[in-house]
Amino acid sequence: QKEVEQNSGPLSVPEGAIASLNCTYSDRGSQSFFWYRQYSGKSPELIMFIYSNGDKEDGRFTAQLNKASQYVSLLIRDSQPSDSATYLCAVLLRSARQLTFGSGTQLTVLP
Amino acid sequence: DTEVTQTPKHLVMGMTNKKSLKCEQHMGHRAMYWYKQKAKKPPELMFVYSYEKLSINESVPSRFSPECPNSSLLNLHLHALQPEDSALYLCASSQEPPGATDTQYFGPGTRLTVL
Repeated sequence: QKEVEQNSGPLSVPEGAIASLNCTYSDRGSQSFFWYRQYSGKSPELIMFIYSNGDKEDGRFTAQLNKASQYVSLLIRDSQPSDSATYLCAVLLRSARQLTFGSGTQLTVLP
Repeated sequence: DTEVTQTPKHLVMGMTNKKSLKCEQHMGHRAMYWYKQKAKKPPELMFVYSYEKLSINESVPSRFSPECPNSSLLNLHLHALQPEDSALYLCASSQEPPGATDTQYFGPGTRLTVL
């Protein structure tokens, strides 16, 4: 069983729509959760981090965390073509230090 | 400022060459990381330095040799690499010890090609 799983892509949404990216994790001791955006050939760029259950909003992005269900998601409202990228979910178990990544979901926003 | 810099951006080397990758951060972070990323795969952790001391080595072959000369710099020395070592090498840093904020910030990466 993979430690961090993301919904299989690729995912295509029309411009202006809401893109929903999902991630589940297996280690209940995980404490910190991150969403990174990675454009082709570039390095991962931090979009959001979330530590507590509930929603966290930053502009067009909303991260949602449900520790009981071991589930974290990222919503992108009013999607733009510039949002087209691979989105990596990452989970941190602080005692282990290792940031564990999901395999990524490739998002395409169609003009 | 959340900037991590890496040099060079691109590197092509033969299997008998010795080269080094460099990483620098001025965020006062005391944890620094090397990751390797192959195409269409997530980053894989190679090494973690905490307060300039190697704290995690993820069973990386000895042809990769990390070095942390001071709290701002991290090097990765390369020797006798194989073509399968061609990848994007990413440096990252974070606060230490991890606490309220343990976000890892990535540099732009070095694209390595081994011929």
